[in-house]
Amino acid sequence: NAGVTQTPKFQVLKTGQSMTLQCAQDMNHNSMYWYRQDPGMGLRLIYYSASEGTTDKGEVPNGYNVSRLNKREFSLRLESAAPSQTSVYFCASQEGYYEQYFGPGTRLTVT
Amino acid sequence: RKEVEQDPGPFNVPEGATVAFNCTYSNSASQSFFWYRQDCRKEPKLLMSVYSSGNEDGRFTAQLNRASQYISLLIRDSKLSDSATYLCVVNAEGNTPLVFGKGTRLSVIA
Repeated sequence: NAGVTQTPKFQVLKTGQSMTLQCAQDMNHNSMYWYRQDPGMGLRLIYYSASEGTTDKGEVPNGYNVSRLNKREFSLRLESAAPSQTSVYFCASQEGYYEQYFGPGTRLTVT
Repeated sequence: RKEVEQDPGPFNVPEGATVAFNCTYSNSASQSFFWYRQDCRKEPKLLMSVYSSGNEDGRFTAQLNRASQYISLLIRDSKLSDSATYLCVVNAEGNTPLVFGKGTRLSVIA
């Protein structure tokens, strides 16, 4: 039982490059989330998926797209990376009103 | 008013001290409440859920005051390993995302 897994752990991109961050959970949770966390700051919600087949914008969606591929997987895509997107990205999953479980994060640097 | 507010700290306390954090929330319809712990550059991890009747887990006690819309976390006999950022988390009504506070930083000093 791995919980929430994220790949890659680290990534360096040049401005304008694209990439997809992968997230998978094995807890059969309906809801999944993508957050970013800048140094010394709180979590900010980018996008979430309340159930398979649905996605909604969070607080900071600009510059990102998401895909809920199936119940297990929720990916985050940066189409044209910018230095302002340098951050740590966390994926999380949740069932109902219960707690969220987080993946270990992807540390992204855009130069 | 922000949805979830916490004193950012830092709280610098000696080992063995008792420390308490409060957190206020704005949505009176909130139904679920949690404290998470986040170590530097790591993912947040659930410390404890907060129940209406209050709950205790070893040295940690969480309380909920719905009338005043705040939750609290009490840490007794602080250890060096308790040094972390503590996040107050609230789930509003319906199928809406959890709202995370920005965290309170605790440093336990030898």
